[in-house]
Amino acid sequence: DVKVTQSSRYLVKRTGEKVFLECVQDMDHENMFWYRQDPGLGLRLIYFSYDVKMKEKGDIPEGYSVSREKKERFSLILESASTNQTSMYLCASSPYRVTEAFFGQGTRLTVV
Amino acid sequence: DQQVKQNSPSLSVQEGRISILNCDYTNSMFDYFLWYKKYPAEGPTFLISISSIKDKNEDGRFTVFLNKSAKHLSLHIVPSQPGDSAVYFCAASGNQAGTALIFGKGTTLSVSS
Repeated sequence: DVKVTQSSRYLVKRTGEKVFLECVQDMDHENMFWYRQDPGLGLRLIYFSYDVKMKEKGDIPEGYSVSREKKERFSLILESASTNQTSMYLCASSPYRVTEAFFGQGTRLTVV
Repeated sequence: DQQVKQNSPSLSVQEGRISILNCDYTNSMFDYFLWYKKYPAEGPTFLISISSIKDKNEDGRFTVFLNKSAKHLSLHIVPSQPGDSAVYFCAASGNQAGTALIFGKGTTLSVSS
């Protein structure tokens, strides 16, 4: 059974903290993605990676960075958390050609 | 500018009837389209997809239709069930390897019994 696992379901962090969200996939997929979901705004792409150490900005990369040191792991980093980064964060992986993509269970991040 | 648009934020349907969810796209380089279903506090679940070389794909109660000339696709659910109540997202990807997967804003489907 295919699996994308996000390290936490719920997180509460303080403003200004550096936050790490981890995502691991076991399908040997080349592509990995980070999205955030907010009411009325759908799924917005933050960053994606199509290979180890490769990354591409999505629609809303400001305030975020990513790391992909190994094929199976893609980390999202909030350099200095702010309250407007309170959101549901979703990680996904797909084959090189995106004919299907699988999501993790999501991380609900609250920044106070 | 939005490349994938779902212009109806919500749709209400009675159990047993057909649900039709619509999606429009602007980028002619998109060549693969996917539909996802999402419940609150969970990750999206893949439902069905279609390649740009086809105009229809069917899987059980779910059928996706693609009209390339109109840059429009639709998801039909027949018959609709109360368990289908969720947010449905349309997504599109390009024909180059390593391309992003772009989502619409979603349509909330409510199926009443």
